Formats: sequence, structure tokens, C-alpha cells
Amino acid sequence: GENVEQHPSTLSVQEGDSAVIKCTYSDSASNYFPWYKQELGKRPQLIIDIRSNVGEKKDQRIAVTLNKTAKHFSLHITETQPEDSAVYFCAASRRGNNRLAFGKGNQVVVIP
Amino acid sequence: EAQVTQNPRYLITVTGKKLTVTCSQNMNHEYMSWYRQDPGLGLRQIYYSMNVEVTDKGDVPEGYKVSRKEKRNFPLILESPSPNQTSLYFCASSLSDNYEQYFGPGTRLTVT
Repeated sequence: GENVEQHPSTLSVQEGDSAVIKCTYSDSASNYFPWYKQELGKRPQLIIDIRSNVGEKKDQRIAVTLNKTAKHFSLHITETQPEDSAVYFCAASRRGNNRLAFGKGNQVVVIP
Repeated sequence: EAQVTQNPRYLITVTGKKLTVTCSQNMNHEYMSWYRQDPGLGLRQIYYSMNVEVTDKGDVPEGYKVSRKEKRNFPLILESPSPNQTSLYFCASSLSDNYEQYFGPGTRLTVT
């Protein structure tokens, strides 16, 4: 089955700087790549997703890039703010597989 | 309001005492899933359901049962809970397997 890995496990950034989290996946047939944010004590919530027919997607300060050849995708957060502090999970799935495989999560800490 | 609800939110029980965690969604979603979240292990899928009466195993199904008799409900059953099932459980629903998943608030289960 699909195996998704995230690096680094913890990332500390100064407020205003950029943060980048990278995920790798194993199944070359995967075609859907969401990112979820989980604040402390809360449920995971989707922040951005990308499908394999595009290479980049942006939503305000958040962007996701996909490299299908290398089988990795990355989350980019610009101008980080304290409210960006959370655990971020990447995931991958392919249509018809009925499964969404999550990475183990990245703790992002934004230092004021 | 579109939402996924779970009950109970917190549960402390003893080994071997059968329990059920309920999950309900009001978005008419076809796909529902159960995850457990443990420190350092991310979100692992227990069971999922593509539609009424259609369920299948995820990555960690041992010790759990599910049923999908109605589209809106997807209860998780632990017939004989053990301490290694102490975890945070999330129910989720989505239009299909390759779309945004909406998570419930979580159920914190402790088995002593």
C-alpha cells in the first residue's frame, strides 16, 4: 500500500519567515495530495490539496507543489504567524483505492 | 450546520467491557472512515465505508468492528477493549475517497 513520509518532524521558524514541509509518497498511481492542519486539542482540517494534473496550487499565504517524477510534494507557508503553529499532516490517495494514507505529521512552531 | 459528530468525547473503561463510539454526519456523504491517532504515529485508518452496507479494513483493523446500516451513521465497536486501544479516535466523512475529509471532534478513549 501507499507509504507517506514527512520531514522534518519538527520545524521552528521566526514569525514572518517561511516554512516548508516536504512529503514523499511511494505509490506512483497516487493522484490526490491533501494537507491537514491540526491545532492543539482540535480536529484535523484541510488547508489545501492538489491533484496530479497540476504542479502547484496557492491560497493566500499557503502553497503546495507537486513533483510527480520524484514522488514528493511540499507545503509552503509564507509570512508565518503565531496562529500557524500546529501539526501539519500530508496524505496521499488514488482514485478507486478507497484509502487515504497519512504521514506522521510535522510540528511547526512559530516563534514570535 | 454541516458537521460530523462523535459520542462520547471522553471515555474511560476497563479491559474487556464492550463499548461503542457513535459517529454521525449530516452532509449526505458516501464515504466514512475511522482513524486512531497516537503520538509519533500520525493518523492510522481503522475501517472505512464507501456506502451503506459496504465496509472494509484499513491499516489497523484488529480489535475493532464497524457497521453502516444508514448513510449518516458509522459506529465503531470495540467488543473486548484492551489497554493498547487507548488512543484518540476520529471519525471522518467525505463525498468520496478522493475528496476532502471532514473530521469529527475526536473521542479520547482510555482502557485500564
